[in-house]
Parts: sequence; structure tokens; C-alpha cells
Amino acid sequence: SQTIHQWPATLVQPVGSPLSLECTVEGTSNPNLYWYRQAAGRGLQLLFYSVGIGQISSEVPQNLSASRPQDRQFILSSKKLLLSDSGFYLCAYLPDRAYEQYFGPGTRLTVT
Amino acid sequence: GIQVEQSPPDLILQEGANSTLRCNFSDSVNNLQWFHQNPWGQLINLFYIPSGTKQNGRLSATTVATERYSLLYISSSQTTDSGVYFCAVTPGLFSGGYNKLIFGAGTRLAVHP
Repeated sequence: SQTIHQWPATLVQPVGSPLSLECTVEGTSNPNLYWYRQAAGRGLQLLFYSVGIGQISSEVPQNLSASRPQDRQFILSSKKLLLSDSGFYLCAYLPDRAYEQYFGPGTRLTVT
Repeated sequence: GIQVEQSPPDLILQEGANSTLRCNFSDSVNNLQWFHQNPWGQLINLFYIPSGTKQNGRLSATTVATERYSLLYISSSQTTDSGVYFCAVTPGLFSGGYNKLIFGAGTRLAVHP
């Protein structure tokens, strides 16, 4: 069966510190991968998506970057966090030749 | 870009009541999904329904793509139905392989015993 993992589950970081959030998918090959962010009390906004290893597309100019070093691994990074980076970050995958996206449990990031 | 509007924004029900949540979208879509976000933030897939009608237990959904709306029906609501319900769409007549989802703002549902 397919599963998606994210870690850490929660993170509190000071302004200016680096960030690395990880997402891994099991049970499927060559998925599309996505990073979304949810601000408090709002809907989700797509940040990045990837259709293959090393292929990253950005939807929103920002302080963040993404990388896909392996087929089922997606990483969200920042060199220097801003207060506005606080939020709930969700990773999602689309199985190969499918149409329905599935979401991970999310990482709640608080920048202080 | 495409606009996705959900109504009502908030809904309070007594356990056992029925409800209808609506999602309007401003352009053609080739994908539409309904999600339930539980109190822990997990997004749970309810329906993949770019057109037609589907049912799963007490929940059912209908999408009329030509009129650009989708409805989510919840019957005999339970306290565990509480949370936020999101509609998300992929714009365009045909799937381009990227399947980028555009989310509505959600409907916040509270079911009281």
C-alpha cells in the first residue's frame, strides 16, 4: 500500500535560522510531488511541484526552495527563515498515471 | 486565474442533521477533489469527482462541470464530521500531467451532540 511521511511534525525556529522539511512516499514509483502551505484559518496554497528527480517548479516567489534528490523524496528548505514563513506545510503525491492527490500529515512551523 | 468559492464559510449542526456544502469554480476543470481536514490537520480524501455523482456511506457528492459547481452532501451528521471541508480543482479542459490543485477557502463544520 502507498503511504506518505513528513517530518518533523512540529518545529519552532528563530528568525534567520535555516529550515529543512522532509517528505517521503512509499509504495509507488515516479509520483508527482507537491509542497503546499496553509496559513492559520485559510486554504492551501501550492508552493512547489515536481514531476521527476531534480525537476522543480515554483508557483510562488518566496524565501523557500525545494529539491527532489530521489524519486520518492521531496525536501523543502530555507537558508534564513522569516516570521511570515510560519504555517502548516503539507506534502502531497500523485501516483503515476493517476488523478487523485494524497496528502501527508503535515509539519507545523512556528518562526519566532 | 481560476476562482474557487465555497459556501457557507461556517456551519453549525445538531447531530443527526443533514447538510449541503457548495463549491463554485469560475472556469473549466479536469479534476475536482473534496477533502476533510480533521482537528489534527490531516487532509482526508473524500471524493475525486470531476463530473457525475458518487456516494460513500453517509457522504455523497455531485459535480455539474458544465455549470461549474460541485455539492457535498452529509447525511445524519456525527460529531466526528466536524472539521473543515475543502474543495480543490485543477483548471483546464484536459489534464496536463501536473495536476496542480487550487483550493477553496473551505467550509468549517461543527456538529454538536
